[in-house]
Order: sequence, then C-alpha cells, then structure tokens
Amino acid sequence: AQTVTQSQPEMSVQEAETVTLSCTYDTSESDYYLFWYKQPPSRQMILVIRQEAYKQQNATENRFSVNFQKAAKSFSLKISDSQLGDAAMYFCAYRETGAQKLVFGQGTRLTINP
Amino acid sequence: DAGITQSPRHKVTETGTPVTLRCHQTENHRYMYWYRQDPGHGLRLIHYSYGVKDTDKGEVSDGYSVSRSKTEDFLLTLESATSSQTSVYFCAIRTTVSDGYTFGSGTRLTVV
Repeated sequence: AQTVTQSQPEMSVQEAETVTLSCTYDTSESDYYLFWYKQPPSRQMILVIRQEAYKQQNATENRFSVNFQKAAKSFSLKISDSQLGDAAMYFCAYRETGAQKLVFGQGTRLTINP
Repeated sequence: DAGITQSPRHKVTETGTPVTLRCHQTENHRYMYWYRQDPGHGLRLIHYSYGVKDTDKGEVSDGYSVSRSKTEDFLLTLESATSSQTSVYFCAIRTTVSDGYTFGSGTRLTVV
C-alpha cells in the first residue's frame, strides 16, 4: 500500500523568511499525483499546490513551490516570504492515476513568528 | 467552487448510540469520500462512493457504514458509537481526474 510520511510534526519560521516542509512517499507506480493541502484553524482543507509525476518541472503557485524528486520519492513544499496567514497544518497527499483514493501524510503544524 | 456541505458541524453523543453524518453536494460529481482526522494520523479514508448505491471500504471502515441513494447525498453512519470514534470527519468530492479533492467543513464528533 502507498504510504506518505511527513517527518516534521511541527515547524516554525520567522515572518518574511522561507521555510521548507518535507514529504516522502512510497509507491511502485510511475504515474501519480501529489498534493499539498493547508488546514488553518478554521478546519477548512485548502489545496495549495499540485504536481503530476510525469512533469519534471516543479509546480509553483505564487509564494508556494515544490521540490519534486521522483527517484528519491520526495515532495517538499517551500513557502517564501512567510506570512502570518500561512500558519496552519499542512498535509502532503498522494493519488495514483486512475485510483480513487487520496492518501495523506500525518501533517506538519507550521507556526509563523512575528 | 464545488458546493459541498456537511451536517452537523458539531455533535456530542453517548457511547452505544447510532449517529449519522450527512454530506451534500450541489453538483453531480461521481466520487464522494468520508475521511476521519486524528492527531498524528492525518486524514484516513473510511469509505468512498463511485456512484449511486456503489460504495467501497477504505482503510478504517470497521464500525462505519455508508449509503448513497442519490448522487448529491452521501451518509456516514456509526451504528453504535464508541469513544474511539471521537474525531473530526470530513466529506470530500473529486471534481476532476487530475485534481485533488474539495472538502467539506468537517464535523467534530465527540463520543462520551
């Protein structure tokens, strides 16, 4: 079964600095999708960024970017110019192409220090 | 954004009582999911549905059942609630093949 591991239960960063959240996954498939979700205190799950495994180019969404290392099965999220509103739980998730299930990591709680 | 609502938002119930959580979508998306969120575990799949009356189990399905009699509604039932089912429950829909999911606001269930 596919597994997703987030090895950092908690992270903190100074406002305006850059932080990187780690995610590794285990799969024997070559075609899949990877996601980062943000969950602020409101509990809402918000899609931050998406990466297709067949694309070598790393996805970017404004201040959020990923470092996708397919061979290493690593998918880290970089947040640049951290803002107070970035404080949240962040979940990494994986889904095989053609499969119906989204598999989540354990989450990383990010704190932004003013 | 796809319209997805969960009810209730909060519920406290006693051990041994039945509980039903409701998920409603306003668009005709085929796939619907129930997850539970617990500290240290992230979100884990309970059950999912790929059409009316078509459902399948996820990784933590014991003690839960689901029903989908209409495309727009997906119900999660705890037949006899236990304290281990205290959790936050999320419903989700899959809007496109390449997308992740769109989630409801969650239901915080406390079993006392």
